[in-house]
Amino acid sequence: GAVVSQHPSRVICKSGTSVKIECRSLDFQATTMFWYRQFPKQSLMLMATSNEGSKATYEQGVEKDKFLINHASLTLSTLTVTSAHPEDSSFYICSALRGTNTEAFFGQGTRLTVV
Amino acid sequence: GQNIDQPTEMTATEGAIVQINCTYQTSGFNGLFWYQQHAGEAPTFLSYNVLDGLEEKGRFSSFLSRSKGYSYLLLKELQMKDSASYLCAVRDLKNRDDKIIFGKGTRLHILP
Repeated sequence: GAVVSQHPSRVICKSGTSVKIECRSLDFQATTMFWYRQFPKQSLMLMATSNEGSKATYEQGVEKDKFLINHASLTLSTLTVTSAHPEDSSFYICSALRGTNTEAFFGQGTRLTVV
Repeated sequence: GQNIDQPTEMTATEGAIVQINCTYQTSGFNGLFWYQQHAGEAPTFLSYNVLDGLEEKGRFSSFLSRSKGYSYLLLKELQMKDSASYLCAVRDLKNRDDKIIFGKGTRLHILP
């Protein structure tokens, strides 16, 4: 099956710093990638939809200046958490669509802890 | 907007059958997914239904009725490793904006 690689899997950072998370589709071109965050014992909340070569579409309540998304190529999308705060600590997961009428393939997730 | 409902928790016995229901409301329905997620891990794909009917894949089957906005995931011959959260997700295509929205998930507990 298709593979989506997300890096890093775990990161600890200090308050006020920025963290970049990468999401790569290894064996297919992903025109659309999604970024989700998941708090403990809760479901995945869509943060934004990232389309290659265009600006990301953010869900209501998600600050686009805080969560910077770049989808520079058909195989790479990045999420940068800027000026991180402890409340940004969460599990961040990306997924990629290979095309229409196919499932979304998920990365391994990134557990971010802000201290 | 979208609205996806599924039970919060269910309990079943090893070897038995369990059905997890999902109802949804969305204006641009373009398919329904079921994912399995173990604690601390990323979701893994189980099924994808676009047309009405039942799709069987080993011990797991998924059913869709678009007119009723309803789907279920059927798990047979339950094993202890099936203890996990099961996420219903709807693909919503509106104005060329393609999104996948998840329900809150159903935590399934398997008893020996």
